[in-house]
Parts: sequence; C-alpha cells; structure tokens
Amino acid sequence: DGGITQSPKYLFRKEGQNVTLSCEQNLNHDAMYWYRQDPGQGLRLIYYSQIVNDFQKGDIAEGYSVSREKKESFPLTVTSAQKNPTAFYLCASSVGAGGWNEQFFGPGTRLTVL
Amino acid sequence: AQKVTQAQTEISVVEKEDVTLDCVYETRDTTYYLFWYKQPPSGELVFLIRRNSFDEQNEISGRYSWNFQKSTSSFNFTITASQVVDSAVYFCALTENNAGNMLTFGGGTRLMVKP
Repeated sequence: DGGITQSPKYLFRKEGQNVTLSCEQNLNHDAMYWYRQDPGQGLRLIYYSQIVNDFQKGDIAEGYSVSREKKESFPLTVTSAQKNPTAFYLCASSVGAGGWNEQFFGPGTRLTVL
Repeated sequence: AQKVTQAQTEISVVEKEDVTLDCVYETRDTTYYLFWYKQPPSGELVFLIRRNSFDEQNEISGRYSWNFQKSTSSFNFTITASQVVDSAVYFCALTENNAGNMLTFGGGTRLMVKP
C-alpha cells in the first residue's frame, strides 16, 4: 500500500535529550513537510523539502533539524534547544512543491517530554 | 502575509442536522489555493477538497458541499444530514502561488455529531 509512515506513534523523552522522529513515504513524492500541532490549534510548518538534499525552514524551525538524503525519507530531530517540544508531529508529502498540490499526511507522532 | 481564520472552535449538532463550517482567508496574492482537511480522532489529516482562486464554482460531493466566494474571502464547508462519523476536527488551509507549497492552516473547527 502506498502511503506515509511515521514511527513511533507515541514517544517519551527526558528533558534535554535530542530525539529523532521518522517519516517515510513510498508515494514517489518530491516534496516533504513537517508540521507541529499543539492542543486545540492548527498546524504550523517546521521544515519542508522540495527535493532531495535540499530543505527550507518553515515558520517555527528553531530547535529542530532535518535531513533529506533519500527521496523517501525526511527525519526530524527535536533538539534540546526546543523550549517546548511536547506536541503532535505530522509529516506530509506532495507530488511537487507547487501550491496546487495537495499534501498527504502520515498518522503522526505524539511526543511527550518529561 | 497569508492568514486563515476559522471562527468556530467547536460545533455540536444532532445527527441528520445540516452544519456549515466557516473559513475566512487573507492573502495578497491573486493566485492561491484553498483546501479543507478532516482530522478524525486517529490524528491523520485527510484531504477533502482543493480550490484555486480562479474557480469560484461551488462543489458538491455526496453530503459535502463547498461555497467559495472571493468577494467575502470565504470558503465555507457544509455537511448535509450529518452523521456520527463526521465527528472530527476540520481544517481550512491556504497556499499562495508565490509561496511554493507552504500551507497556512486555520485553527480548526471541532465538529461533534451526537446520535
């Protein structure tokens, strides 16, 4: 089945630790995205990548880092510099980076920092 | 800067009622795209519809319909004869042609359909 997978679904970490969230897609999409969702709020863009080996900061990139070494993979690292990392993280992909392309979303990872 | 406002944070209806979810947007671009997504309790966002700024034709898909009005910068979503399975959070989103595919989301409207 084609789609986007994110693992794990739930993640617990101690304060001060870096943590990497996985996102894999087998849709052959060029563009990938990471969003953060806080309770009762909309999604905010963290990073996006239009093509392999290239990525751009979104609205709230501070405290996060990404890599795009393979077309199908776009991992997100939440670093200790992120002041409030507890949130629901959603990965998405689209065929291309044009505005008309709908984004397809993964099931999300809920990160809790203790 | 682009902005999307969903003034209704929560709506509760009884099954079979019709319900309209409001979406108002702001953009300086003349070419832009509007989207609606559904987020069920599982958390994954499901794409519902896309509209470009040059197409103001309303659309109907089964019990769902969308009313796009550029004059009022609105893109409202109506569910006819609501069902319990429609219970979810619904997001309206916008991307400008000059902003690549950077989606700006509204705050979402939580719809609760009671049996």
